[in-house]
Amino acid sequence: EPEVTQTPSHQVTQMGQEVILRCVPISNHLYFYWYRQILGQKVEFLVSFYNNEISEKSEIFDDQFSVERPDGSNFTLKIRSTKLEDSAMYFCASRQVRGTLQETQYFGPGTRLLVL
Amino acid sequence: AQTVTQSQPEMSVQEAETVTLSCTYDTSENNYYLFWYKQPPSRQMILVIRQEAYKQQNATENRFSVNFQKAAKSFSLKISDSQLGDTAMYFCALTPLLAGNMLTFGGGTRLMVKP
Repeated sequence: EPEVTQTPSHQVTQMGQEVILRCVPISNHLYFYWYRQILGQKVEFLVSFYNNEISEKSEIFDDQFSVERPDGSNFTLKIRSTKLEDSAMYFCASRQVRGTLQETQYFGPGTRLLVL
Repeated sequence: AQTVTQSQPEMSVQEAETVTLSCTYDTSENNYYLFWYKQPPSRQMILVIRQEAYKQQNATENRFSVNFQKAAKSFSLKISDSQLGDTAMYFCALTPLLAGNMLTFGGGTRLMVKP
């Protein structure tokens, strides 16, 4: 069964450093998402991406964040200058598009980011 | 904007028993999808079940079923014949029936299945 994959599974970085989180969505999916979950808190939407551009973004997704689909398979989240409060689990998700119907979002296993 | 509320932070159930997790939501949309996701200790998010709001029939997936009350904006998850592997965080989530919209999650319910 096809699945969303994410790398790395864990990342430790120093405050102020740039990190890139990578995701490979399910191959026939066209909508891509990033969510984050700070330890002990609810899952929060960051951004959605469709047709090579951002579809929606939350207020969390400020100028230090960016997303990119550099090739036909990868979908990346870049944090330019990490802060302590960026420490969280970051989930990538993808879904199909059929007309305007919403389809289920399938999640990757997550990347646990720790900013020191 | 939409909100999702899970009023039970923690629950426990004996193995083989039945447990119901509550979820209420608020949305101005008339058409939307509701989901229950499971997050085991590995923290991966796994889809358990989904419900289209325009369908009156409650969704069922093996031991998992929902009680969807649209007028009350309630969407509870029933787990029958609970198994040890059901121990996890369970998140209720909602998304409008429009392409591209994000999931709004509840705060989660931690379920412990006891042997």
